[in-house]
Amino acid sequence: NAGVTQTPKFQVLKTGQSMTLQCAQDMNHNSMYWYRQDPGMGLRLIYYSASEGTTDKGEVPNGYNVSRLNKREFSLRLESAAPSQTSVYFCASSEHGGYEAFFGQGTRLTVV
Amino acid sequence: KQEVTQIPAALSVPEGENLVLNCSFTDSAIYNLQWFRQDPGKGLTSLLLIQSSQREQTSGRLNASLDKSSGRSTLYIAASQPGDSATYLCAVNRDSNYQLIWGAGTKLIIKP
Repeated sequence: NAGVTQTPKFQVLKTGQSMTLQCAQDMNHNSMYWYRQDPGMGLRLIYYSASEGTTDKGEVPNGYNVSRLNKREFSLRLESAAPSQTSVYFCASSEHGGYEAFFGQGTRLTVV
Repeated sequence: KQEVTQIPAALSVPEGENLVLNCSFTDSAIYNLQWFRQDPGKGLTSLLLIQSSQREQTSGRLNASLDKSSGRSTLYIAASQPGDSATYLCAVNRDSNYQLIWGAGTKLIIKP
């Protein structure tokens, strides 16, 4: 019973490098989300996908792009990483907006 | 703008005690409120979800209450155990949209 799976778990990037964080869910959920978590702060929404084929900006979208590849998969791309993007990134899914959310294990990203 | 606050930021209690964690929010127009648990280096686990029309929800030793008029929710943990040690976060959903607004969490330590 995998739930929400994120890869990779850890990543170190140099400033200016690019990378894609992968997320897949096996619960047939319609909605998927990318959050970042910084020390002492609550989670902040980067982007979300209400349903397959749609994506929308959240609270902190600058510097990121997303792709809802299909109903299962939602990826987050950093085109040119900056030290300010050092954070823990979480992918989540829910049946619909406002429903119970299920989270992946997180990706700890360090940009040097 | 909705803001969610959790006080205290950290709490340490002896095993066996009953305890209450607090969550306050500034805008009473919410759709639901969710409580999550986060273990170090791991993802978030949903504990309880309270709809705006509900006053409380229970799951095992956990009981969450909601008072929209005062902008408060509490998470009651009965007969605490060392395994309850974790960070507890609350998040508010407004009007069934897709953006959860998060508190920064309360780090709970249960001493054996």
